[in-house]
Amino acid sequence: EAQVTQNPRYLITVTGKKLTVTCSQNMNHEYMSWYRQDPGLGLRQIYYSMNVEVTDKGDVPEGYKVSRKEKRNFPLILESPSPNQTSLYFCASSPLFRGLTGELFFGEGSRLTVL
Amino acid sequence: EDQVTQSPEALRLQEGESSSLNCSYTVSGLRGLFWYRQDPGKGPEFLFTLYSAGEEKEKERLKATLTKKESFLHITAPKPEDSATYLCAVPDTGRRALTFGSGTRLQVQP
Repeated sequence: EAQVTQNPRYLITVTGKKLTVTCSQNMNHEYMSWYRQDPGLGLRQIYYSMNVEVTDKGDVPEGYKVSRKEKRNFPLILESPSPNQTSLYFCASSPLFRGLTGELFFGEGSRLTVL
Repeated sequence: EDQVTQSPEALRLQEGESSSLNCSYTVSGLRGLFWYRQDPGKGPEFLFTLYSAGEEKEKERLKATLTKKESFLHITAPKPEDSATYLCAVPDTGRRALTFGSGTRLQVQP
């Protein structure tokens, strides 16, 4: 089954404790991206990757890091989480960035709470 | 800067009661407008792409239309399983991203 898998789905952590949210897709997609979703603000892009070893900042990259060492994986790293990073996070992928079709495949989300 | 505004924020319908959701946009050059459906606890799921004013797309009880300034998602004779948040988005190819609206939360009561 074609899917984007995120882990963990739910996490409660404390300020400053490094964490990684993993994202893996099995569709051989070149493009992957991370979004956060907050009430009233909608979905905002954090980082994206056009292919292995190619990453770039999105709209709200502060406090986050990413890496793309393999085509299928695109982990999101919070080196020193703060309460304002409490949010619902989504990983998405597509075959290249389908800017003209807009068809992104999203994971089921990771709800993160930073105390 | 591209902007996408959706209204209403929430909509409650009775089963069978047709209605429309609105998505207005301000972009420097429209390269498509996209509709997604998001169920509680799930990621958004792609529904439609519209490219030019006058274009229409249909899927079951949903029909999306596009003008030069806005898009409508018409829901005909909705059923409870149509309850979800509907998101519209436009592409920001400079950032390789979609700019999303805040969504319309639709509830269809039996």
